[in-house]
Amino acid sequence: GENVEQHPSTLSVQEGDSAVIKCTYSDSASNYFPWYKQELGKGPQLIIDIRSNVGEKKDQRIAVTLNKTAKHFSLHITETQPEDSAVYFCAAASGYSTLTFGKGTMLLVSP
Amino acid sequence: GAVVSQHPSRVICKSGTSVKIECRSLDFQATTMFWYRQFPKKSLMLMATSNEGSKATYEQGVEKDKFLINHASLTLSTLTVTSAHPEDSSFYICSASPQAFNYGYTFGSGTRLTVV
Repeated sequence: GENVEQHPSTLSVQEGDSAVIKCTYSDSASNYFPWYKQELGKGPQLIIDIRSNVGEKKDQRIAVTLNKTAKHFSLHITETQPEDSAVYFCAAASGYSTLTFGKGTMLLVSP
Repeated sequence: GAVVSQHPSRVICKSGTSVKIECRSLDFQATTMFWYRQFPKKSLMLMATSNEGSKATYEQGVEKDKFLINHASLTLSTLTVTSAHPEDSSFYICSASPQAFNYGYTFGSGTRLTVV
């Protein structure tokens, strides 16, 4: 089955800096890669996703890049703000398989 | 956008009792919903896939008789934790998608179950 590795497990940045979280996947058939933000005590919120026919996608301060050859994808957050502090999960899925999640990255943005 | 409502958000129950958690898709129909369990500071663990009008598909190691899933309509799936014990205490989250199987999953707000 699919295996998703996520790094780093924790990431501390200063407000205004950029943050990058990286994930690798094992199943070359995976074609859908979402990113979720989870705040304490709440369910995950989809912040951006990318499909395998696209190499990069951007939504305001958030961008995701995908390298199918290397089987890795990354989340980029620019101009970080304290409200970006949360746990971020990457995930991967293929066809009719269910999502496989990474272990999460706790992002702390200090004012 | 797609909204998934989950209730209750918190529940405390006595050991040996059963607890029902509801997951509703508010503005779309979901033939498939998913139930996850999350331990503190851990990732989401898929428990089962809930299919409208048919039996749920459970992941390996998940007790079917303890975690009863019912998906009686296109907008409602329920998870019942039967004969709950303290080790069942956890954060339970459901998700659904208004689109094709693997796109645009929306998650509920989660249910914190504490068994005392």
